[in-house]
Amino acid sequence: DTAVSQTPKYLVTQMGNDKSIKCEQNLGHDTMYWYKQDSKKFLKIMFSYNNKELIINETVPNRFSPKSPDKAHLNLHINSLELGDSAVYFCASSRGFNTEAFFGQGTRLTVV
Amino acid sequence: QQQVKQSPQSLIVQKGGISIINCAYENTAFDYFPWYQQFPGKGPALLIAIRPDVSEKKEGRFTISFNKSAKQFSLHIMDSQPGDSATYFCAASNDGGFKTIFGAGTRLFVKA
Repeated sequence: DTAVSQTPKYLVTQMGNDKSIKCEQNLGHDTMYWYKQDSKKFLKIMFSYNNKELIINETVPNRFSPKSPDKAHLNLHINSLELGDSAVYFCASSRGFNTEAFFGQGTRLTVV
Repeated sequence: QQQVKQSPQSLIVQKGGISIINCAYENTAFDYFPWYQQFPGKGPALLIAIRPDVSEKKEGRFTISFNKSAKQFSLHIMDSQPGDSATYFCAASNDGGFKTIFGAGTRLFVKA
């Protein structure tokens, strides 16, 4: 069983479109995250959630809207996609904020 | 104050050699210092982690050295193998920070 699974793995879309990435974890964790990894491999936190509540929005444009329907899911919806949104997006979960984070396999988003 | 600075950016080591990656942090509130390993096309995975109450932690060929007064920590990979070729990220977090801050990553290549 995959601990943190995100879909789709690849997403190619045109500028201006709206897309969603889904994430589910079966580890029973209360804390979930979205990270963005750019072409230089830099990993930057986007959002932190705890018990379905948004804790951190790390200066992400409001075109990005996370939604947590329950503690096991944290989806990411992106409106009006721009070329600069092209990156790999990782979902992760952890038992707490300063413990091991488990990452999904990533979603490679390409905006053309 | 939230930054974690990592060096070198890339590293080439002969098989059997020692790989050393260094990180420095500023926020003295950090109390969890993990190292993550990422292979191409995969999400980061925890390799080894340390908390500031110890100065060294060893797991197999991997050792973290931690210098609290200098606010520095490093990863040593002994007897480096081609299978260790990956990108390594140091990171730091604390419970009240609600997120993990990652270093910029080090691309390690171990020559056979």
